Amino acid sequence: KQEVTQIPAALSVPEGENLVLNCSFTDSAIYNLQWFRQDPGKGLTSLLLIQSSQREQTSGRLNASLDKSSGRSTLYIAASQPGDSATYLCAVLSRGDTGRRALTFGSGTRLQVQP
Amino acid sequence: EPEVTQTPSHQVTQMGQEVILRCVPISNHLYFYWYRQILGQKVEFLVSFYNNEISEKSEIFDDQFSVERPDGSNFTLKIRSTKLEDSAMYFCASSFGTVGNQPQHFGDGTRLSIL
Repeated sequence: KQEVTQIPAALSVPEGENLVLNCSFTDSAIYNLQWFRQDPGKGLTSLLLIQSSQREQTSGRLNASLDKSSGRSTLYIAASQPGDSATYLCAVLSRGDTGRRALTFGSGTRLQVQP
Repeated sequence: EPEVTQTPSHQVTQMGQEVILRCVPISNHLYFYWYRQILGQKVEFLVSFYNNEISEKSEIFDDQFSVERPDGSNFTLKIRSTKLEDSAMYFCASSFGTVGNQPQHFGDGTRLSIL
């Protein structure tokens, strides 16, 4: 069964810092990995998608890497801003032992950027 | 940018009553999904839908649940006889395809409260 773990669970940093969020998954047979942002009481906003054949994706100040063989992904946020404060979720699309293709989510990292 | 819309944003229902949650996916998308997030827990996959039938469903999606695409734009989730443990945030998502380079786009969710 696919399990997704995110570390740390919470992170508080001063504005301007560069930071790294970690995601690990147990079954490396994935189709893709997505990073989402979730604001309180809101839906999920897709930030980056990395296909299983890719090593990284970049969008603005965000860079996500994927090491499929070791079951790890990192989300790097450069020059953090208070507006980056949110929960960041990692999700992998895989088939798993149930044979069902579905997104499996981590618990998220709750980020607070202090002005 | 096109988005997934969900109504209502908050639904309060008595235990045992039927509830229908509504979603309008992005217009050219072909695959539709429902997820739920119980307060403080991970986002969990419920069901995926393509070509007017269910393609995958999780163990959570039992006989109490059903999905329908009644017309060309709406996608609904029905819970037949609600239980207290059905209280959660329900997210609808859609994607153009299911291959590795197709992200899922999420709505803002419907908060379902069962009394």
